[in-house]
Formats: sequence, C-alpha cells, structure tokens
Amino acid sequence: DGGITQSPKYLFRKEGQNVTLSCEQNLNHDAMYWYRQDPGQGLRLIYYSQIVNDFQKGDIAEGYSVSREKKESFPLTVTSAQKNPTAFYLCASSTPGLDYNEQFFGPGTRLTVL
Amino acid sequence: GQNIDQPTEMTATEGAIVQINCTYQTSGFNGLFWYQQHAGEAPTFLSYNVLDGLEEKGRFSSFLSRSKGYSYLLLKELQMKDSASYLCAAMDSNYQLIWGAGTKLIIKP
Repeated sequence: DGGITQSPKYLFRKEGQNVTLSCEQNLNHDAMYWYRQDPGQGLRLIYYSQIVNDFQKGDIAEGYSVSREKKESFPLTVTSAQKNPTAFYLCASSTPGLDYNEQFFGPGTRLTVL
Repeated sequence: GQNIDQPTEMTATEGAIVQINCTYQTSGFNGLFWYQQHAGEAPTFLSYNVLDGLEEKGRFSSFLSRSKGYSYLLLKELQMKDSASYLCAAMDSNYQLIWGAGTKLIIKP
C-alpha cells in the first residue's frame, strides 16, 4: 500500500529540547511539505522540498529545520528556538504535473511542549 | 497579499443540502482545491477546479468562477459522517497552496 507515514502520532517535549518528527512516503513523489495547524487556523507552510538535497523556507520556518537526503524521507526538527511549538504537524507529498498535483497527507503528529 | 476567506462554522440538517463558499486572492492561479478534515485527522482530497464551472462527484460538487475569485463546495443528502472541517486552498503561480482556515460543518439529526 502506498502512502505517507508520520511518527510518532503524539509527542511530548520539555521546553528547551529539540525534537525530530519523521515523515516517510512510498508514493515516489518528488515534492514534500511540512505544515503546522493550530486550532481555528488554516495550514501554514513551514518548509517544502521539490527535489532531493534541496528545500525552501515556507511562511513560518523560524525555529524549524529540515533535511532531504532521500526522496522518501523529509524529517522536521523543531528546535528550542521555536517559541510556541505546541501544534498539529502535517507532512504531505505531491508530484507536480501528475493529475491534479493534489497533496497527499500523512496522519499527523501532535506535539505538546510541557 | 494572498488570502482565502471561508465561513468559520456552518450547521445543517441530516438529509439536507449545504453550500460552503470560498473567496480567494492569489498571485497567479493554478487551481482551487477542497479538502475534508475530520477532527484530529489528516485532510483528504475532495475536488479540484481550474476551469470555470461545476464539477460533480457523487454527493459532492464544486464550482469555480475565476473572474470572481470564488468557489463553493456543495454537499447533498447530508450524512452524519459529513460532520468535519472543509478546507479551501488555492494554488498560486509558484504551485504553492494557500489555505483557508477551514469551515467546520455541524450536521444535526
């Protein structure tokens, strides 16, 4: 079965700690995205990557970092510099030019900072 | 700037019809998406419009007017499982999605 996996589903972190959220896809998609969703708000783009070894900042990249060493994987690190990291994090992938170029989403990781 | 507007919340009755509106302003335009998101879950793709007009998919239809920067999602024969948030997203000239805050749809028996 093709899809996107994110782990863990729930994550608790102490203030001041870095934490890495995993995102893996076996859809052979070129592009991958990280979004943050807060209650009552739309999805906000953190980082995106259109090809391996390349990524771009989204609207709210401060306090986050990513890597794209493999096509299948796009991990997100939430650093201690992120002032308000408690949120629902969604990873997505797509292939431009394929069908509607719609983005497919993983199940999400809910991060809570204690 | 780029902006998507949609109502925050709507209520409808099981078996009825509901229309969720969305207006958008983007730098360039490469299509309008509707996604459904149940609480605590990931968004799932519902529809895509890039040309003016109505696209029908079973109980769900989506309409686009590019000249007005307007779209709507029409849900017919509402079922309790349709209770969810509906997200409107416009694709800009860089093929990035600009997301609305979502419309929470509450279905009452």
